[in-house]
Amino acid sequence: EAQVTQNPRYLITVTGKKLTVTCSQNMNHEYMSWYRQDPGLGLRQIYYSMNVEVTDKGDVPEGYKVSRKEKRNFPLILESPSPNQTSLYFCASRRGFSTDTQYFGPGTRLTVL
Amino acid sequence: GQQLNQSPQSMFIQEGEDVSMNCTSSSIFNTWLWYKQDPGEGPVLLIALYKAGELTSNGRLTAQFGITRKDSFLNISASIPSDVGIYFCAGYLTSGTYKYIFGTGTRLKVLA
Repeated sequence: EAQVTQNPRYLITVTGKKLTVTCSQNMNHEYMSWYRQDPGLGLRQIYYSMNVEVTDKGDVPEGYKVSRKEKRNFPLILESPSPNQTSLYFCASRRGFSTDTQYFGPGTRLTVL
Repeated sequence: GQQLNQSPQSMFIQEGEDVSMNCTSSSIFNTWLWYKQDPGEGPVLLIALYKAGELTSNGRLTAQFGITRKDSFLNISASIPSDVGIYFCAGYLTSGTYKYIFGTGTRLKVLA
C-alpha cells in the first residue's frame, strides 16, 4: 500500500530536549516536505526537499532542521524545542516538484512543556 | 507565507443537504487539490484539478477549477454524517517555488 508514515504519532517533551520526528514514504517520490498545522493558521510549510541531499526552507523554518540522506526518509529535527513549537506536524510527499498530487502522513502531535 | 482565502470557515448543515465551499486567491494556480481531514488524521486527497474550467467528480463530490485560475469550488451533494471534517483546498503556484499553498479550511458539521 502506497503511504507516508510518521513516528511518533504523539509526543510530549520538555523545553530544550532534542527530538526527531521520522517520515518515510514507499512511493519513490522525489519531493518531500514538512508542515505544521495550528488553529486558524492552516498548514504552513517548514522545510522541503526536492531530492536526496537537496533541502530548502519553507515559510516557517526557524527552530527546525531536516536531512535527506535517502530518498524515502525525511526526518524533522528540533534541536532545542520550545513551547511555541507545540503543534500538529505533517510530512508529505509527491512524485516530482511539478504539479503532481501530494500525499500526507497521519500527523504527529507534539507538545513542548 | 501565502494562504488561500477559503470560505465559509465553518458550516452546520442537515443531513441530505448539498454543501458548497470555495477558495480564492490573487495568484494564478495551475493545479488545485481538495483534501479532507478527519480529527487526529492527516489530510486525504479527494479531488485533483489540472486545467482551467475542469469539472471533476468523485462520488458525491464535485470540484471545479475556475476559469480565471484564481479560484476553485467544491460541492458535496446529499451530505451524510461521515462528511464531517475539515476540507482544505491547495493551489500550486506557477512561479516555480515548487510548493502548494493551502486554504485555512472549512469545518463541516452535519446534523443527523
